[in-house]
Amino acid sequence: AQKITQTQPGMFVQEKEAVTLDCTYDTSDQSYGLFWYKQPSSGEMIFLIYQGSYDEQNATEGRYSLNFQKARKSANLVISASQLGDSAMYFCAMREYSSASKIIFGSGTRLSIRP
Amino acid sequence: NAGVMQNPRHLVRRRGQEARLRCSPMKGHSHVYWYRQLPEEGLKFMVYLQKENIIDESGMPKERFSAEFPKEGPSILRIQQVVRGDSAAYFCASSQARIDSNQPQHFGDGTRLSIL
Repeated sequence: AQKITQTQPGMFVQEKEAVTLDCTYDTSDQSYGLFWYKQPSSGEMIFLIYQGSYDEQNATEGRYSLNFQKARKSANLVISASQLGDSAMYFCAMREYSSASKIIFGSGTRLSIRP
Repeated sequence: NAGVMQNPRHLVRRRGQEARLRCSPMKGHSHVYWYRQLPEEGLKFMVYLQKENIIDESGMPKERFSAEFPKEGPSILRIQQVVRGDSAAYFCASSQARIDSNQPQHFGDGTRLSIL
């Protein structure tokens, strides 16, 4: 079974609109962390935001927020007021406490911002 | 503070040759992780090393691939007798210790390996 599922291979959004990128996960661990990374066309992996399984508040970092719904095992990324520079691949990822040595990545969503 | 440094940024090899990818962790970091990214896919874990030890190699192909992290110098991912299917981006990340689940891994810029 897939540990991390991103069901949107590609999305187009108008500049300045908000966008939600979906992510669901599967784990039997009680303790885990969820991450979002951005990969622009230049190829580097940029860490955006983190949510811990025990965190009660949704994580926020500037224009990024994580809509964490633990019971539904979802960790959607919300980008407010999208900008042209937000065009990139976005990866949802998880680290389980029982295997803290590695991060498991989803297949990604390609976000394109229209001017 | 320099981040994780990978070199070369791009590497071209012919089938059958050897590829050596280098990763210098962030200063003070003694744990290194290698990932592979095939085109249009997410990163897949390959191996986790501490200085002079392989901790978890569950994601490494059984043949032709090896990794080391010597006491001195960078971590090396070595691919022998490369084939076209090895063409991918290879990313390295480092950490100070065996990190808790709430710590992100910060990645190098990757090495793009192309096999002719």
